[in-house]
Amino acid sequence: NAGVTQTPKFRVLKTGQSMTLLCAQDMNHEYMYWYRQDPGMGLRLIHYSVGEGTTAKGEVPDGYNVSRLKKQNFLLGLESAAPSQTSVYFCASSPRSLGLFFGEGSRLTVL
Amino acid sequence: KQEVTQIPAALSVPEGENLVLNCSFTDSAIYNLQWFRQDPGKGLTSLLLIQSSQREQTSGRLNASLDKSSGRSTLYIAASQPGDSATYLCAVLYNTDKLIFGTGTRLQVFP
Repeated sequence: NAGVTQTPKFRVLKTGQSMTLLCAQDMNHEYMYWYRQDPGMGLRLIHYSVGEGTTAKGEVPDGYNVSRLKKQNFLLGLESAAPSQTSVYFCASSPRSLGLFFGEGSRLTVL
Repeated sequence: KQEVTQIPAALSVPEGENLVLNCSFTDSAIYNLQWFRQDPGKGLTSLLLIQSSQREQTSGRLNASLDKSSGRSTLYIAASQPGDSATYLCAVLYNTDKLIFGTGTRLQVFP
């Protein structure tokens, strides 16, 4: 049972490049979330989804897009990466009533 | 705006002390609240989950309480140990489905 898996775990981009982070969960959870964590800032909600085909904006959505075409996958896209998007990204899934289950994080550096 | 605040931001105590960490939220329309610990450079480990209908949850030396009317949750750590050193985060799931984190309390327990 893999739980929540994030791909890739590390990535270095140049300014202006695009990339997609994949979050996959095998627990049949309805809810999925993308967060970023920066030093001294805690975890900030980027986008979230309450079910297949749905997405909603969180606290810091600018510069990111998401898609939830399949229930088990939640994709986070950066169309034109900026140095301000250097961060550690965490994905989480939830059946709502039982709390959050986290992935191990993806460390992104934008040069 | 739905916000979550944690006080204190940092705490350094000698081994054996009983500790209280605080989490405050601005909107009482919450579904549940979850406490996590995070070790440096690592992911998040779930500690306790309190549903909105509950007043407290206990696990070993940890006890978390919830007072929705005052917008507060407290994490109590009994007989602290150096292994408890970590950052402690609370996360509030609002009825709007947004799940917001506090900025965390960095705890250091010295021998």
